[in-house]
Amino acid sequence: TQLLEQSPQFLSIQEGENLTVYCNSSSVFSSLQWYRQEPGEGPVLLVTVVTGGEVKKLKRLTFQFGDARKDSSLHITAAQPGDTGLYLCAGGNYGQNFVFGPGTRLSVLP
Amino acid sequence: ETGVTQSPTHLIKTRGQQVTLRCSSQSGHNTVSWYQQALGQGPQFIFQYYREEENGRGNFPPRFSGLQFPNYSSELNVNALELDDSALYLCASSLNGRAKGNIQYFGAGTRLSVL
Repeated sequence: TQLLEQSPQFLSIQEGENLTVYCNSSSVFSSLQWYRQEPGEGPVLLVTVVTGGEVKKLKRLTFQFGDARKDSSLHITAAQPGDTGLYLCAGGNYGQNFVFGPGTRLSVLP
Repeated sequence: ETGVTQSPTHLIKTRGQQVTLRCSSQSGHNTVSWYQQALGQGPQFIFQYYREEENGRGNFPPRFSGLQFPNYSSELNVNALELDDSALYLCASSLNGRAKGNIQYFGAGTRLSVL
Protein backbone atom coordinates (compact mmCIF):
# COMPACT_ATOMS: atom_id res chain seq x y z
CA THR A 1 0.00 0.00 0.00
CA GLN A 2 1.34 3.40 -0.95
CA LEU A 3 1.22 5.90 1.90
CA LEU A 4 1.91 9.60 1.99
CA GLU A 5 2.91 11.48 5.12
CA GLN A 6 2.66 15.22 5.51
CA SER A 7 4.36 17.50 7.99
CA PRO A 8 3.74 19.46 9.97
CA GLN A 9 0.20 18.43 10.77
CA PHE A 10 -0.70 21.94 11.94
CA LEU A 11 1.00 25.28 11.34
CA SER A 12 0.01 28.69 12.64
CA ILE A 13 2.00 31.70 11.49
CA GLN A 14 1.76 35.47 11.25
CA GLU A 15 1.01 37.27 8.00
CA GLY A 16 4.21 37.97 6.07
CA GLU A 17 6.15 34.96 7.31
CA ASN A 18 7.54 32.24 5.05
CA LEU A 19 6.77 28.54 5.50
CA THR A 20 7.47 25.15 4.02
CA VAL A 21 5.32 22.02 4.27
CA TYR A 22 6.43 18.56 3.30
CA CYS A 23 4.99 15.44 1.69
CA ASN A 24 6.93 12.19 2.00
CA SER A 25 6.54 8.58 0.92
CA SER A 26 8.57 5.41 0.74
CA SER A 27 7.00 4.79 -2.68
CA VAL A 28 7.84 6.29 -6.04
CA PHE A 29 5.10 8.22 -7.81
CA SER A 30 4.92 9.17 -11.48
CA SER A 31 3.18 12.40 -10.53
CA LEU A 32 2.29 14.33 -7.44
CA GLN A 33 -0.42 16.89 -6.94
CA TRP A 34 -0.96 19.60 -4.34
CA TYR A 35 -4.44 20.76 -3.39
CA ARG A 36 -5.83 23.40 -1.06
CA GLN A 37 -9.10 22.74 0.71
CA GLU A 38 -11.04 25.45 2.51
CA PRO A 39 -13.76 24.77 5.08
CA GLY A 40 -16.99 23.62 3.48
CA GLU A 41 -15.35 23.12 0.10
CA GLY A 42 -13.78 20.33 -1.87
CA PRO A 43 -10.03 20.28 -2.63
CA VAL A 44 -8.84 22.59 -5.41
CA LEU A 45 -5.85 21.54 -7.49
CA LEU A 46 -2.87 23.90 -7.20
CA VAL A 47 -0.21 22.09 -9.23
CA THR A 48 0.89 18.77 -10.69
CA VAL A 49 4.59 17.83 -10.79
CA VAL A 50 5.78 14.89 -12.88
CA THR A 51 9.58 15.08 -13.25
CA GLY A 52 12.09 14.33 -10.50
CA GLY A 53 13.68 17.57 -9.34
CA GLU A 54 10.98 19.67 -10.97
CA VAL A 55 10.24 23.08 -9.48
CA LYS A 56 7.04 24.96 -10.26
CA LYS A 57 6.06 28.41 -9.11
CA LEU A 58 2.56 29.74 -8.70
CA LYS A 59 2.80 33.38 -7.56
CA ARG A 60 4.07 33.14 -3.95
CA LEU A 61 3.92 29.32 -3.90
CA THR A 62 6.90 27.20 -4.93
CA PHE A 63 6.48 23.45 -5.39
CA GLN A 64 9.35 20.98 -5.68
CA PHE A 65 9.29 17.28 -6.56
CA GLY A 66 12.14 15.27 -5.10
CA ASP A 67 14.78 13.80 -7.40
CA ALA A 68 13.65 10.26 -6.54
CA ARG A 69 9.97 11.19 -6.97
CA LYS A 70 9.17 10.06 -3.41
CA ASP A 71 8.76 13.44 -1.77
CA SER A 72 7.67 16.98 -2.40
CA SER A 73 7.63 20.35 -0.70
CA LEU A 74 5.49 23.45 -0.85
CA HIS A 75 7.04 26.77 0.11
CA ILE A 76 4.93 29.88 0.63
CA THR A 77 6.58 33.29 0.66
CA ALA A 78 5.06 36.16 2.61
CA ALA A 79 1.99 34.22 3.69
CA GLN A 80 -1.37 35.98 3.68
CA PRO A 81 -4.60 35.19 5.56
CA GLY A 82 -6.08 34.03 2.25
CA ASP A 83 -3.55 31.17 2.24
CA THR A 84 -5.31 29.63 5.24
CA GLY A 85 -6.57 26.13 4.53
CA LEU A 86 -5.79 22.43 4.43
CA TYR A 87 -2.95 21.61 2.06
CA LEU A 88 -3.14 18.09 0.66
CA CYS A 89 -0.64 16.21 -1.45
CA ALA A 90 -1.71 13.28 -3.63
CA GLY A 91 0.56 10.81 -5.39
CA GLY A 92 -0.38 8.90 -8.50
CA ASN A 93 0.90 6.34 -10.95
CA TYR A 94 -0.34 5.71 -14.46
CA GLY A 95 -3.49 3.60 -14.47
CA GLN A 96 -3.94 3.91 -10.74
CA ASN A 97 -5.88 6.27 -8.56
CA PHE A 98 -4.31 9.08 -6.59
CA VAL A 99 -3.49 8.47 -2.92
CA PHE A 100 -3.91 11.45 -0.62
CA GLY A 101 -1.87 12.40 2.42
CA PRO A 102 -3.55 13.52 5.67
CA GLY A 103 -2.85 17.19 4.98
CA THR A 104 -1.24 20.16 6.69
CA ARG A 105 -3.67 22.61 8.25
CA LEU A 106 -2.30 26.13 7.83
CA SER A 107 -3.57 29.16 9.67
CA VAL A 108 -2.20 32.59 8.73
CA LEU A 109 -3.03 35.21 11.31
CA PRO A 110 -3.39 38.88 10.31
CA GLU B 1 -16.75 27.01 -9.04
CA THR B 2 -15.73 23.63 -10.48
CA GLY B 3 -19.05 22.82 -12.13
CA VAL B 4 -19.38 19.70 -9.96
CA THR B 5 -22.46 19.73 -7.75
CA GLN B 6 -23.30 17.36 -4.91
CA SER B 7 -26.54 16.84 -3.03
CA PRO B 8 -27.53 17.00 -0.34
CA THR B 9 -24.97 19.21 1.41
CA HIS B 10 -25.71 17.75 4.82
CA LEU B 11 -27.42 14.56 5.94
CA ILE B 12 -28.14 12.94 9.29
CA LYS B 13 -28.91 9.22 9.47
CA THR B 14 -29.05 6.59 12.17
CA ARG B 15 -27.03 3.41 12.36
CA GLY B 16 -28.36 0.65 10.10
CA GLN B 17 -30.07 2.98 7.65
CA GLN B 18 -29.23 3.38 3.97
CA VAL B 19 -28.19 6.57 2.20
CA THR B 20 -27.86 7.78 -1.39
CA LEU B 21 -25.61 10.68 -2.31
CA ARG B 22 -25.68 12.35 -5.71
CA CYS B 23 -23.14 14.03 -7.94
CA SER B 24 -23.45 15.94 -11.20
CA SER B 25 -20.18 16.00 -13.08
CA GLN B 26 -18.68 18.90 -14.97
CA SER B 27 -19.98 19.29 -18.51
CA GLY B 28 -18.01 17.09 -20.92
CA HIS B 29 -16.52 14.86 -18.21
CA ASN B 30 -17.16 11.12 -18.43
CA THR B 31 -15.51 10.02 -15.18
CA VAL B 32 -16.63 10.35 -11.59
CA SER B 33 -14.60 9.35 -8.53
CA TRP B 34 -15.91 9.17 -4.98
CA TYR B 35 -13.86 9.81 -1.86
CA GLN B 36 -14.51 9.61 1.88
CA GLN B 37 -12.82 12.26 4.02
CA ALA B 38 -13.00 11.63 7.74
CA LEU B 39 -12.42 14.52 10.11
CA GLY B 40 -8.75 15.49 10.19
CA GLN B 41 -7.76 13.16 7.37
CA GLY B 42 -7.17 13.31 3.65
CA PRO B 43 -9.68 11.92 1.17
CA GLN B 44 -9.73 8.12 0.81
CA PHE B 45 -10.61 6.71 -2.61
CA ILE B 46 -13.85 4.69 -2.65
CA PHE B 47 -14.33 3.93 -6.37
CA GLN B 48 -14.40 5.44 -9.82
CA TYR B 49 -16.93 5.20 -12.63
CA TYR B 50 -15.88 5.68 -16.24
CA ARG B 51 -18.53 5.63 -18.96
CA GLU B 52 -21.04 3.93 -16.63
CA GLU B 53 -18.68 1.12 -15.56
CA GLU B 54 -16.77 0.75 -12.28
CA ASN B 55 -13.13 1.54 -13.09
CA GLY B 56 -11.29 0.89 -9.86
CA ARG B 57 -12.19 0.45 -6.22
CA GLY B 58 -10.46 1.31 -2.96
CA ASN B 59 -10.48 -0.62 0.29
CA PHE B 60 -14.17 -0.20 1.10
CA PRO B 61 -16.69 -2.98 1.85
CA PRO B 62 -19.42 -4.02 -0.64
CA ARG B 63 -22.07 -2.07 1.26
CA PHE B 64 -20.56 0.94 -0.52
CA SER B 65 -21.91 0.81 -4.07
CA GLY B 66 -22.40 3.20 -6.90
CA LEU B 67 -23.94 3.96 -10.24
CA GLN B 68 -23.16 6.21 -13.15
CA PHE B 69 -25.91 7.30 -15.49
CA PRO B 70 -25.80 7.96 -19.28
CA ASN B 71 -25.45 11.69 -18.59
CA TYR B 72 -22.40 10.78 -16.42
CA SER B 73 -23.96 11.90 -13.18
CA SER B 74 -23.41 9.45 -10.35
CA GLU B 75 -24.79 8.09 -7.10
CA LEU B 76 -23.03 6.66 -4.07
CA ASN B 77 -25.11 4.27 -1.98
CA VAL B 78 -24.15 3.11 1.48
CA ASN B 79 -26.15 0.34 3.16
CA ALA B 80 -26.25 -0.66 6.82
CA LEU B 81 -24.70 2.62 7.97
CA GLU B 82 -22.15 2.48 10.78
CA LEU B 83 -21.01 5.26 13.09
CA ASP B 84 -17.59 5.29 11.36
CA ASP B 85 -19.27 6.17 8.07
CA SER B 86 -19.67 9.73 9.39
CA ALA B 87 -17.52 11.82 7.06
CA LEU B 88 -17.43 14.29 4.20
CA TYR B 89 -18.12 12.46 0.93
CA LEU B 90 -16.48 14.07 -2.07
CA CYS B 91 -17.19 13.55 -5.71
CA ALA B 92 -14.63 14.45 -8.37
CA SER B 93 -15.19 14.57 -12.10
CA SER B 94 -12.55 14.20 -14.77
CA LEU B 95 -12.04 13.14 -18.35
CA ASN B 96 -11.00 9.68 -19.47
CA GLY B 97 -10.70 7.53 -16.42
CA ARG B 98 -7.23 7.22 -14.91
CA ALA B 99 -5.32 8.59 -17.88
CA LYS B 100 -1.95 10.16 -17.20
CA GLY B 101 -2.16 13.82 -16.37
CA ASN B 102 -5.82 13.62 -15.50
CA ILE B 103 -7.18 16.58 -13.56
CA GLN B 104 -9.97 16.01 -11.08
CA TYR B 105 -12.46 18.71 -10.20
CA PHE B 106 -14.04 18.25 -6.79
CA GLY B 107 -17.49 19.15 -5.59
CA ALA B 108 -18.07 20.74 -2.19
CA GLY B 109 -19.06 17.42 -0.68
CA THR B 110 -21.89 15.93 1.34
CA ARG B 111 -21.41 15.93 5.11
CA LEU B 112 -22.92 12.68 6.46
CA SER B 113 -23.49 12.22 10.18
CA VAL B 114 -24.48 8.78 11.45
CA LEU B 115 -25.99 8.74 14.94
